[in-house]
Amino acid sequence: AQSVSQHNHHVILSEAASLELGCNYSYGGTVNLFWYVQYPGQHLQLLLKYFSGDPLVKGIKGFEAEFIKSKFSFNLRKPSVQWSDTAEYFCAVKSHNTDKLIFGTGTRLQVFP
Amino acid sequence: GAVVSQHPSWVICKSGTSVKIECRSLDFQATTMFWYRQFPKQSLMLMATSNEGSKATYEQGVEKDKFLINHASLTLSTLTVTSAHPEDSSFYICSAGQGADQPQHFGDGTRLSIL
Repeated sequence: AQSVSQHNHHVILSEAASLELGCNYSYGGTVNLFWYVQYPGQHLQLLLKYFSGDPLVKGIKGFEAEFIKSKFSFNLRKPSVQWSDTAEYFCAVKSHNTDKLIFGTGTRLQVFP
Repeated sequence: GAVVSQHPSWVICKSGTSVKIECRSLDFQATTMFWYRQFPKQSLMLMATSNEGSKATYEQGVEKDKFLINHASLTLSTLTVTSAHPEDSSFYICSAGQGADQPQHFGDGTRLSIL
């Protein structure tokens, strides 16, 4: 069965620090990969997605993620975080021929000014 | 962008009552809708996948008779929590998809509290 692991449960950073959130998945076939963000009191929003092509994907708000197939990873990065990036971040995976998303446990990011 | 509306956003009711939650795709037709449950400080757990005009597919461990799903049209799916009890209290989230090659769009969620 597919599964998604997010190793960082809670990350605390100061503004302007660099961010990297880990995401690993287990599935042998072709996958589509996503990062979603949930700001306090809001619904899940898509940050970025990977379906095919360039494994380095750029998303909204300066976020990017790199798909490393050999490592089954899709880590999220941002070179300089802002206070407004405080939120819960979820990595999600689905096999390429289905709609069904499998979510990781989420990483809570707190950014202090 | 694609908008998914979920209603109500918050409901409190007595144990034993049934609660209906609606999920609508406002500006697109959703071939598939999904229902998730989110416990505090935990991830989203898929409960069921709903396709218009057919029976929902439930995940292992989810009671079909407890969580009734109806997908009457390409823009509306409903989740009814029947005879709700305090352990059903949770945050329920729906999402809508337009196909396997498109990302899902999420509703704002419904916080259900059973007294």
